Amino acid sequence: DVQLVESGGGLVQPGGSLRLSCAASGFTFSRFAMNWVRQAPGKGLEWVSYLTTGSEIFYADSVKGRFTISRDNAKNSLYLQMNSLRDEDTAVYYCARDWGSPGWCIDNWGQGTLVIVSS
Amino acid sequence: QPVLTQPPSASVTPGQRVTISCSGSNSNIGNNYVHWYQHLPGTAPKLLIYRNDQRPSGVPDRFSGSKSGTSASLAISGLRSEDEADYYCAVWDASLSGPVFGGGTKLTVL
Repeated sequence: DVQLVESGGGLVQPGGSLRLSCAASGFTFSRFAMNWVRQAPGKGLEWVSYLTTGSEIFYADSVKGRFTISRDNAKNSLYLQMNSLRDEDTAVYYCARDWGSPGWCIDNWGQGTLVIVSS
Repeated sequence: QPVLTQPPSASVTPGQRVTISCSGSNSNIGNNYVHWYQHLPGTAPKLLIYRNDQRPSGVPDRFSGSKSGTSASLAISGLRSEDEADYYCAVWDASLSGPVFGGGTKLTVL
């Protein structure tokens, strides 16, 4: 079974940094593109970033220049480095696998990790 | 103005049918596949419909999707209490160079 387990969330002050990790198992990690998606309290799902198997990277405008997505295929892990954090970055962050077929589609999600940006 | 527009809520009684709409534009729905997700609070979202109208294995045929032009719909028939959840459409947007989610529809089964 596909498993995605996020970690690294917590409380951080505005302007601070945090690094999220996602441990993947149950599939050949290197063959799949990966995403980060977040949900702020009381809000809907918001796509954050997408990293293809060919190392193409996409970011939502709201995080461009502040967040960096990366992966380590040897460790079956996905990362999200978050810098210059703002109050509005407070959310549950989900690691999510792309389906592996042409075009974009998320077919599996982790349980999420909570990030709180507050002074 | 959201990129993808969904009704914020819908209420139905058990056994009834509901349709949730998702309205977009040519840069997203008009030229790309639409996918639908079910999200219960505190859990991982679940893929419900992919490529406009395809169901992943394990998803009951009570759930169906369709697309026409720049709009898409999710229909749920024979509603049950366990269908009470938030439902999101999602699609790649060429203008934004990234995927977008609809605002979500909170379905209440009375």
